[in-house]
Amino acid sequence: GAGVSQTPSNKVTEKGKYVELRCDPISGHTALYWYRQSLGQGPEFLIYFQGTGAADDSGLPNDRFFAVRPEGSVSTLKIQRTERGDSAVYLCASSSRRDTGTQYFGPGTRLTVL
Amino acid sequence: DQQVKQNSPSLSVQEGRISILNCDYTNSMFDYFLWYKKYPAEGPTFLISISSIKDKNEDGRFTVFLNKSAKHLSLHIVPSQPGDSAVYFCAASSISSNTGKLIFGQGTTLQVKP
Repeated sequence: GAGVSQTPSNKVTEKGKYVELRCDPISGHTALYWYRQSLGQGPEFLIYFQGTGAADDSGLPNDRFFAVRPEGSVSTLKIQRTERGDSAVYLCASSSRRDTGTQYFGPGTRLTVL
Repeated sequence: DQQVKQNSPSLSVQEGRISILNCDYTNSMFDYFLWYKKYPAEGPTFLISISSIKDKNEDGRFTVFLNKSAKHLSLHIVPSQPGDSAVYFCAASSISSNTGKLIFGQGTTLQVKP
């Protein structure tokens, strides 16, 4: 079956602009996660959705970052007033209710802020 | 504060030999551990996991060992193949905390030489 998909695969923007990154989880997966990976580091947790609600947003670095999942499937990560330090690969993962421990990742969106 | 550490940035082994990747953690609340493999420009791919109630889990050429008293886990790959060359991340979570967020190590780059 189809895995987690993310669009766009690459996004180049200018400092101060607004960006949206999209994640389409595995069909039927109720849990969805966003992570951010900087060069040479492991992924860092940003936010977790169970269904439509954000169950844990403790990893969001500041109020410029926001994520939604209005219908409990597709999620959008929104970054306002982008800064050069936001440049990273943004990863999305999903997991099923039956196996909540194992998360399956998408290919990521590489964000470059000039 | 790095709760999950992979102290070896890189490892090189000969094809057919054993690869041993190590990971240490500090948080005693972690009860589920995973290993992911990552190729360039792709998202992390789930390899194998282990619950804290076990000390070993095996899947084909991959075996994960967990030593709770030492807060240490390792991934053994036998025999190693050139296609195993990738970055390997260990990750930990606290299933009982109901967030399921993964805390990743920094990764170890494995090179398997033909």
